[in-house]
Amino acid sequence: RKEVEQDPGPFNVPEGATVAFNCTYSNSASQSFFWYRQDCRKEPKLLMSVYSSGNEDGRFTAQLNRASQYISLLIRDSKLSDSATYLCVVKGSSNTGKLIFGQGTTLQVKP
Amino acid sequence: EPEVTQTPSHQVTQMGQEVILRCVPISNHLYFYWYRQILGQKVEFLVSFYNNEISEKSEIFDDQFSVERPDGSNFTLKIRSTKLEDSAMYFCASSPLSGNQPQHFGDGTRLSIL
Repeated sequence: RKEVEQDPGPFNVPEGATVAFNCTYSNSASQSFFWYRQDCRKEPKLLMSVYSSGNEDGRFTAQLNRASQYISLLIRDSKLSDSATYLCVVKGSSNTGKLIFGQGTTLQVKP
Repeated sequence: EPEVTQTPSHQVTQMGQEVILRCVPISNHLYFYWYRQILGQKVEFLVSFYNNEISEKSEIFDDQFSVERPDGSNFTLKIRSTKLEDSAMYFCASSPLSGNQPQHFGDGTRLSIL
């Protein structure tokens, strides 16, 4: 089983749509969880951390289910500028800060 | 907003040559990392560095790789004898702590081995 697994997509949605991405992770001792965004050939940029109680940042909502080892990201009212690859990222159980990346889910928002 | 800076943005090197990739982490950060991303693949962890020593390294980070913090600001990745399969984007990252703090990434160095 992959350490962090995501549906690669692509997800093609119209502007204004709501889209949800899912991610599973294999190590139950994982400590911290993040969603990063990566534009083509650019660096990963932090979108949001993911907390056990769930958290929201504007149009973006992240959820974590530790029992199922499942993380989700919901994007409401999608914009053309949301087109990117969304990376599910898990910090391992060691205290060195190593990040484990999923392969990413590609989103294309069309007019 | 402070950022991680990397140089050069693109490095083209002959196979077998040594290459040094440079990074300036955010100034008050204590943890430093190198990751790489082969074209079309996921981002992979190479090494973490804290308190002037390696704290963890991956299987990719073999004897051909080394890291150094030669002064108070730079953090370098050296590949001693490059191979074709070392061609990738190399990202430097830093964080203030290793706990729940997210890591901030530089914009990467594209390494092309000929």
